[in-house]
Amino acid sequence: NAGVMQNPRHLVRRRGQEARLRCSPMKGHSHVYWYRQLPEEGLKFMVYLQKENIIDESGMPKERFSAEFPKEGPSILRIQQVVRGDSAAYFCASSPPGGPNQPQHFGDGTRLSIL
Amino acid sequence: AQSVTQLGSHVSVSEGALVLLRCNYSSSVPPYLFWYVQYPNQGLQLLLKYTSAATLVKGINGFEAEFKKSETSFHLTKPSAHMSDAAEYFCAVSKNTGNQFYFGTGTSLTVIP
Repeated sequence: NAGVMQNPRHLVRRRGQEARLRCSPMKGHSHVYWYRQLPEEGLKFMVYLQKENIIDESGMPKERFSAEFPKEGPSILRIQQVVRGDSAAYFCASSPPGGPNQPQHFGDGTRLSIL
Repeated sequence: AQSVTQLGSHVSVSEGALVLLRCNYSSSVPPYLFWYVQYPNQGLQLLLKYTSAATLVKGINGFEAEFKKSETSFHLTKPSAHMSDAAEYFCAVSKNTGNQFYFGTGTSLTVIP
């Protein structure tokens, strides 16, 4: 039973380029979450999606960041015109339907480095 | 509003000693609480969860946590530390009107041989 799959594991971009991070949830999971982790800090919630719907994007920066979870295929976190401050580890998690008592299962993350 | 506070960003224990990692929550209603462990360059792995069935929750790798409503705490313990327990530990509370999790800032556990 495959876990949450994130790719790439490492991504290097130059300032001004676009970064695309992919996340395939666990089988049977219809809820996807994106978090950002900076060194020596905890996880900061970014966005919560269900298939074709953004449920909560209160943690997303207002500009340059977007997320989608299409009917088919993985969830995508897209960062346009990247800047040095975007360097971080980005984690995706998924959970099954069933409410807030369902634990979230995490991928191994994508480490984004901006040159 | 829900949030968690982890006291002590770094904890060091000797191998074989008791591990105690502290977590206090604030919630307007009984929360759902979780402990996760993160090893270097990996994602978070669920250790245990509290969902109101029992106040003492046993998890993987010999860890357990006790929900104390009067103290609004959910501290993580392990009777005897092992070298392999060295990692980052995160406490989380879930938003009870949705699925959003709120994570603490983490506690880095060092085990001294």
